[in-house]
Amino acid sequence: TQLLEQSPQFLSIQEGENLTVYCNSSSVFSSLQWYRQEPGEGPVLLVTVVTGGEVKKLKRLTFQFGDARKDSSLHITAAQPGDTGLYLCAGVGNQGGKLIFGQGTELSVKP
Amino acid sequence: GAVVSQHPSRVICKSGTSVKIECRSLDFQATTMFWYRQFPKKSLMLMATSNEGSKATYEQGVEKDKFLINHASLTLSTLTVTSAHPEDSSFYICSARRQGANIQYFGAGTRLSVL
Repeated sequence: TQLLEQSPQFLSIQEGENLTVYCNSSSVFSSLQWYRQEPGEGPVLLVTVVTGGEVKKLKRLTFQFGDARKDSSLHITAAQPGDTGLYLCAGVGNQGGKLIFGQGTELSVKP
Repeated sequence: GAVVSQHPSRVICKSGTSVKIECRSLDFQATTMFWYRQFPKKSLMLMATSNEGSKATYEQGVEKDKFLINHASLTLSTLTVTSAHPEDSSFYICSARRQGANIQYFGAGTRLSVL
């Protein structure tokens, strides 16, 4: 069974601080996706990483895919209240293309 | 961009009634759609995989007679919660996978409240 361990599950920080969310597995994933979800809405895709060692940037967000394609991280620089939400990592599994989700990280950025 | 429409966004029903939720891919064809359930501040839990023209594949522990899934066309899948009870109250989310791609696009979710 493929699993993704996401940490931390809760994070409350002040505006301007930096943070990193981790997603780890003992399994290899062909690709890994990061989503952001606001209350009462569906997840919105932020990025997909495919190549081991890949780094992608989306404004203040930096995503990394581990060399072995077993782990990924999301780093947010100078967090803002608008970054508040639930962040989810998800890997494409080896069973019919199902997404394997991490537990999610509930981020709260206080002004 | 790929758009998935989910309807209704919110439904309140009496215990014992059935509720149908629709999931449509608006600008692409989706041979596979997925149905998830999500509890507050928790991650998504896959309920079933819906394949166009065939029976859905349910995850372990999900009652197929309780959660009926129909995927009659390449752009529409429906989830019917039959004889709903208060414990079925939850946030249900669908996603659609574009043909030939490995990315899922999510609907906005349906908040089901069973009284």
